[in-house]
Amino acid sequence: EPEVTQTPSHQVTQMGQEVILRCVPISNHLYFYWYRQILGQKVEFLVSFYNNEISEKSEIFDDQFSVERPDGSNFTLKIRSTKLEDSAMYFCASRLAGQGAGQPQHFGDGTRLSIL
Amino acid sequence: AQSVTQLDSQVPVFEEAPVELRCNYSSSVSVYLFWYVQYPNQGLQLLLKYLSGSTLVKGINGFEAEFNKSQTSFHLRKPSVHISDTAEYFCAVSAPGSSNTGKLIFGQGTTLQVKP
Repeated sequence: EPEVTQTPSHQVTQMGQEVILRCVPISNHLYFYWYRQILGQKVEFLVSFYNNEISEKSEIFDDQFSVERPDGSNFTLKIRSTKLEDSAMYFCASRLAGQGAGQPQHFGDGTRLSIL
Repeated sequence: AQSVTQLDSQVPVFEEAPVELRCNYSSSVSVYLFWYVQYPNQGLQLLLKYLSGSTLVKGINGFEAEFNKSQTSFHLRKPSVHISDTAEYFCAVSAPGSSNTGKLIFGQGTTLQVKP
């Protein structure tokens, strides 16, 4: 069964540095998402991406964050200047079009981001 | 806006016993409902979903859930649990409609601990 893959599995970065988290969604999926989960807290929506543009973003997704689909397969999340509070598990997800929001999202295994 | 409440943060249960994980939601519009499971060091895996129709939905691994519109609940049940069911369980909602991006709003999660 096709999977969403995320790399790296663990990223350690100094505060203030830029970090790029990478995702390869399932190939025929058209909607892409990033979520994050701070340790001990709930999974939170960050951003959704469709037709090569952001379709929705949360309050968390400020100017320090950006997303990109640089080619036909990758979907990246960039944090420009990391802060301690960016430490979290970041999940990428993708889903098919059709059936509206009823199509289930498929999640990657996540990237654990640790900011020192 | 939607919100999800999972009433129990931890549910300990003995192997082969039945279990119910509770989920209540709040929304001014109709929603789609999902249960996801997260095993240690893995991403979120869809257990089941409710879009419309029969209020009792069956999912993978012997789990089922019942949608109750009047009580705005979507509780997850399994008649007999196994040690391998030990995991974190997340209830989530999304709003249908073409103007909605399908973002998921998650509950806080419930840790199911199955004891031998």
